Amino acid sequence: GAVVSQHPSWVICKSGTSVKIECRSLDFQATTMFWYRQFPKQSLMLMATSNEGSKATYEQGVEKDKFLINHASLTLSTLTVTSAHPEDSSFYICSASAPLIRGETQYFGPGTRLLVL
Amino acid sequence: GEDVEQSLFLSVREGDSSVINCTYTDSSSTYLYWYKQEPGAGLQLLTYIFSNMDMKQDQRLTVLLNKKDKHLSLRIADTQTGDSAIYFCAEIYGGATNKLIFGTGTLLAVQP
Repeated sequence: GAVVSQHPSWVICKSGTSVKIECRSLDFQATTMFWYRQFPKQSLMLMATSNEGSKATYEQGVEKDKFLINHASLTLSTLTVTSAHPEDSSFYICSASAPLIRGETQYFGPGTRLLVL
Repeated sequence: GEDVEQSLFLSVREGDSSVINCTYTDSSSTYLYWYKQEPGAGLQLLTYIFSNMDMKQDQRLTVLLNKKDKHLSLRIADTQTGDSAIYFCAEIYGGATNKLIFGTGTLLAVQP
């Protein structure tokens, strides 16, 4: 159990376009989802915390108008990178919080690799 | 600050034990985690330990927690080539949102 999926697994886009990434919890309901970004050879950096039915909480230094987060249901959160630029190229990983399963654990999706040309 | 530190690299021979170390900062963390990331993939939860425990064993994995020194370690017995990956420790940062703070990651290379 506790499977989290992401779509797409990879995307290549032109500079200036917007890209939407979906994160789904497949077999449990997640009131809280998290979005991370990982640059090559670096650790995961939390971008924002997404709560179902409310506005996301962004970490310091993350532009909320550039990284739009929508958590419309208990199983789906989306991250939209608006007007993407090459410096936004990264590995984006979501996780879903499952406090009722065990250990207040976050279960991670497989990640979405974004390349902006 | 929210710093979780790990050594960057560890190389071992197949069949040996691996010990990956981590130091964390938030003494109020209720849980501490170890995740494994294989090349190009997401994170896989390996194990976790509750903060009132000193040790947890799960098959080949042993987690040791020293709360006084804020030191966490992961021991992998009989390390195999399939264990080659990046290992991240993580702590829950205090607060209502259960924010995870990740360590810098340790690349484990297992030599045949």
